Amino acid sequence: SQQGEEDPQALSIQEGENATMNCSYKTSINNLQWYRQNSGRGLVHLILIRSNEREKHSGRLRVTLDTSKKSSSLLITASRAADTASYFCATAVDSNYQLIWGAGTKLIIKP
Amino acid sequence: SQTIHQWPATLVQPVGSPLSLECTVEGTSNPNLYWYRQAAGRGLQLLFYSVGIGQISSEVPQNLSASRPQDRQFILSSKKLLLSDSGFYLCAWGYIMGLGYTFGSGTRLTVV
Repeated sequence: SQQGEEDPQALSIQEGENATMNCSYKTSINNLQWYRQNSGRGLVHLILIRSNEREKHSGRLRVTLDTSKKSSSLLITASRAADTASYFCATAVDSNYQLIWGAGTKLIIKP
Repeated sequence: SQTIHQWPATLVQPVGSPLSLECTVEGTSNPNLYWYRQAAGRGLQLLFYSVGIGQISSEVPQNLSASRPQDRQFILSSKKLLLSDSGFYLCAWGYIMGLGYTFGSGTRLTVV
C-alpha cells in the first residue's frame, strides 16, 4: 500500500520560478526522503530528513517536515529546465525501515 | 566510487518465456540489494530485498523470484512470464535499510 501521497500530481512552471511539492503520509516514520526520476531512468536520491528534523537544505533544495501533520514539502528555488522530472517521496517506517513510496509529482519547467 | 549496473535497458519477451535481469554493484561490499517494479505513472513497489548472499526476502507474491549468488550480484527471474509482468524494473542498493538508496538505470520489460 502507498504511504506517501504527493501533491500536486503535476506541476508546470516557468524557468526561474520556485517549485513546491508536498508529500503526506499516514504512519510514524524514521525518516523521509525525496528522489528525482528523469523520464525512463532510475531514481536519484536528493535529500533525507529525519523525524527529529524540521528543515534541511541542499543547494537549491529545501525540505521541511511536519510530523504533527504527517507532511513534508520539497521546494526547488530558481528552477531550471534540467529540473524537469518526476519527484517522489519515500518514507522509512519505524517498524521495518522499508521504504514506502508515493506516486510522484511530475514537474515541467518551461523555458 | 560505488556504481550500480543494470541490464538490459529494454526487453520485449513473449508470454510464457523465461526472464533473467541482472544487477551488479561495484565499489562496495555487503550492500543491501533491492528489486522494485514501477507501473506507469506510479510509485515503486518493492519486490525483493537481500541483506546478504543467498538471503532473499519477498515482499509481494509474484510470478518472479530473486537470487543473490554473489555479494554484489542480484538477479530477478521468472520461469514463465505473464502479461502482467510488464513494467519498469529497478535495482537499488543501500548500506542501511531505510536510508538513501542508489538506483540502477532500470529495465523496461514488455511482455507480448
